[in-house]
Amino acid sequence: GAGVSQSPRYKVAKRGQDVALRCDPISGHVSLFWYQQALGQGPEFLTYFQNEAQLDKSGLPSDRFFAERPEGSVSTLKIQRTQQEDSAVYLCASTDSANTGELFFGEGSRLTVL
Amino acid sequence: AQSVTQLGSHVSVSEGALVLLRCNYSSSVPPYLFWYVQYPNQGLQLLLKYTTGATLVKGINGFEAEFKKSETSFHLTKPSAHMSDAAEYFCAVSHPPWGGGADGLTFGKGTHLIIQP
Repeated sequence: GAGVSQSPRYKVAKRGQDVALRCDPISGHVSLFWYQQALGQGPEFLTYFQNEAQLDKSGLPSDRFFAERPEGSVSTLKIQRTQQEDSAVYLCASTDSANTGELFFGEGSRLTVL
Repeated sequence: AQSVTQLGSHVSVSEGALVLLRCNYSSSVPPYLFWYVQYPNQGLQLLLKYTTGATLVKGINGFEAEFKKSETSFHLTKPSAHMSDAAEYFCAVSHPPWGGGADGLTFGKGTHLIIQP
């Protein structure tokens, strides 16, 4: 597709369940980011990939959060044993290699943990 | 380290009035500056950006912003507000050389723009 695609758009999970959120970036985009956006807040950095390499995971809030991009294209953000504080919109963004920080965002996956 | 401060979590203007959304940044090197807009239940869309060159930049939907180094500001303006401008607006900063990661793009907390009919 022409843009960044994320699925599912909405996910409701019971506390303790595992969830997986998928991001399909713009074709050919080397760099991929995951952000967490809490209600009424700006996006907060979670992790960054360049191709298949996860170069920065300093924003992941706990070891329950795990991200991968095994073939340098599609990425999955996995949250294990979800907690209520994990409720947020998870945004994926991609960009090409020669860049200034202009990111192209998907529509996000809204996670609600009950 | 870099950061962004957006003054005013909510701004309300009348339709047809001037829109002014304030953004101040902190960066140890010359910044790249961005404004993104987010409509309800949607992702972020780039409005405009400043990288180098002319400090007054024009974006989509009639918005513009001016980079003022002396004031460390990058305020967003639009001469005449339209109902369709109601959205959340985010100022963001990065810097050269761009290397991705946590400094790839740092966002402010956002300003919710309300347009009164």
